[in-house]
Amino acid sequence: SQQGEEDPQALSIQEGENATMNCSYKTSINNLQWYRQNSGRGLVHLILIRSNEREKHSGRLRVTLDTSKKSSSLLITASRAADTASYFCATASSRDDKIIFGKGTRLHILP
Amino acid sequence: NAGVTQTPKFQVLKTGQSMTLQCAQDMNHNSMYWYRQDPGMGLRLIYYSASEGTTDKGEVPNGYNVSRLNKREFSLRLESAAPSQTSVYFCASVPAWGNQPQHFGDGTRLSIL
Repeated sequence: SQQGEEDPQALSIQEGENATMNCSYKTSINNLQWYRQNSGRGLVHLILIRSNEREKHSGRLRVTLDTSKKSSSLLITASRAADTASYFCATASSRDDKIIFGKGTRLHILP
Repeated sequence: NAGVTQTPKFQVLKTGQSMTLQCAQDMNHNSMYWYRQDPGMGLRLIYYSASEGTTDKGEVPNGYNVSRLNKREFSLRLESAAPSQTSVYFCASVPAWGNQPQHFGDGTRLSIL
């Protein structure tokens, strides 16, 4: 089974609202990464948070990491139509060099 | 910089045919990865190579073989293609120094009839 599991699977919000998606994982990690994928396109790296970090910001993105709960959250503030995409978390194992993805959250921003 | 280059971009095969997907990176990265992505799904790790000369199985290795030809190139081979292998295949690489994001190729869309 996949290491990272995102929640919710799908999310629809009004433009301007904040969007929060969560990721849970199972084993020890070196870092956790969030990616965006527009329909039919490749993956775009958004943000990487190391296992010894608790929170990280990049523009309208805020990522938190709780290693005790093995979970992370991605917050997108003041959402825009262009944020409509699928969002994936990926965990880099601390035991080997595997990087495993979750199933993703499909975010739809309503005008 | 070209980054991660995958060839071909599209391919249609018949069941039982063989095929090699090529991936090359020009960033001097140590680790390389092959993933497949099925509709509505996340990426699943097929094989990875932590360094030149080493390869390891990922989550879904059955039906595939890989070869880390040199530091730049990591190929994925389907010896006898099956319809269940219809997917989009992504190659990625990561630098040797720690805690860096993956760099992805644009993907190969593979259809097995």
